[in-house]
Amino acid sequence: KNQVEQSPQSLIILEGKNCTLQCNYTVSPFSNLRWYKQDTGRGPVSLTIMTFSENTKSNGRYTATLDADTKQSSLHITASQLSDSASYICVVSNAGNNRKLIWGLGTSLAVNP
Amino acid sequence: DAGITQSPRHKVTETGTPVTLRCHQTENHRYMYWYRQDPGHGLRLIHYSYGVKDTDKGEVSDGYSVSRSKTEDFLLTLESATSSQTSVYFCAIRTGTGDTEAFFGQGTRLTVV
Repeated sequence: KNQVEQSPQSLIILEGKNCTLQCNYTVSPFSNLRWYKQDTGRGPVSLTIMTFSENTKSNGRYTATLDADTKQSSLHITASQLSDSASYICVVSNAGNNRKLIWGLGTSLAVNP
Repeated sequence: DAGITQSPRHKVTETGTPVTLRCHQTENHRYMYWYRQDPGHGLRLIHYSYGVKDTDKGEVSDGYSVSRSKTEDFLLTLESATSSQTSVYFCAIRTGTGDTEAFFGQGTRLTVV
């Protein structure tokens, strides 16, 4: 069964600290992996998209890694800011089935002053 | 928001009444999607469209219908609203089905009482 699992479910950190969010998937065949940020009351916004051949991709203070062999990805946030408080969702695209997007449940991050 | 407007943003309706949600885009993208987001679930695809008058079912399509008579508008109709359809609904657009970005609207919060 195609699944995307994220950990931790929630996380609280202090402003300025770094953190790493995890994503494990069992989607096959794999097309790409995406990380989205979703602020409360708003739609998801894309942070990164990585294909099979990409190991790492950065977007400002966000760095995503992908290990296609172990089917794991991480999202590292550097020097966190209060505005980073949001839900971070890992999404994997299935290469078959009309490129269906399989969504994780997200990690809820709270950055406190 | 990539030129996506959802309306209404909030709606309360009674069980058994029909409800139509509208998604409007200004960038002429071919692919449009309707998702619902509920606690404990990742985003779930309701219906999608790959062109004018071309639509298909997603994983949770029962009780919903869609129409796309113009490129810019994708309508989601709840034929006879039920309490289980209380949710936040998101419209999304993509420029293709491959490794392409998906852009989301702001969401519509629907409450069925």
